[in-house]
Amino acid sequence: AQSVTQPDIHITVSEGASLELRCNYSYGATPYLFWYVQSPGQGLQLLLKYFSGDTLVQGIKGFEAEFKRSQSSFNLRKPSVHWSDAAEYFCAVGARAGTASKLTFGTGTRLQVTL
Amino acid sequence: DAGVIQSPRHEVTEMGQEVTLRCKPISGHDYLFWYRQTMMRGLELLIYFNNNVPIDDSGMPEDRFSAKMPNASFSTLKIQPSEPRDSAVYFCASSLSGINIQYFGAGTRLSVL
Repeated sequence: AQSVTQPDIHITVSEGASLELRCNYSYGATPYLFWYVQSPGQGLQLLLKYFSGDTLVQGIKGFEAEFKRSQSSFNLRKPSVHWSDAAEYFCAVGARAGTASKLTFGTGTRLQVTL
Repeated sequence: DAGVIQSPRHEVTEMGQEVTLRCKPISGHDYLFWYRQTMMRGLELLIYFNNNVPIDDSGMPEDRFSAKMPNASFSTLKIQPSEPRDSAVYFCASSLSGINIQYFGAGTRLSVL
């Protein structure tokens, strides 16, 4: 069975500082990997995805993530955080289900940004 | 497109009452997913449909929960009878076959008193 671990429940960074959110997954085959962001009272918005090819993927809002098969990781990074990035971030792994992905989510990392 | 639309946004009900949550997927999407989010268990997949047919309902917690998709533009998740432990945020998501990206609605926050 697939699983996702986000070891950091809560992270605080200063505005302008760099950010790295950790994600480790367990999956028997080549995974589909996703990062979603959830602002308070909102649904989940896709930041970026990895299906195949280049292991460094770019997403919206200046985020990027790197797939490292040897470490079973898919960490999310941003070089300079903005106050509006404060939200909860979810990593997910997708198992092929027909022609869609059945997602398993991590428990999330809440990001706080100090001014 | 307006995105995935869920209604109501908030629902407060008393234990034992029937609750119906509604979802309109993005037009043209052929997969629809229902999730539940709680502090204790995080985001859990309850059930998903393909072309209006339920494919996997292994995440549905018990018989009190049921989901239907009578047509391509509408789905319901029903809880009958509701219990306080059903209090959660329920999300609906849809995707297009082969694209593997799920788009989420804003969710329904359910409180069962």
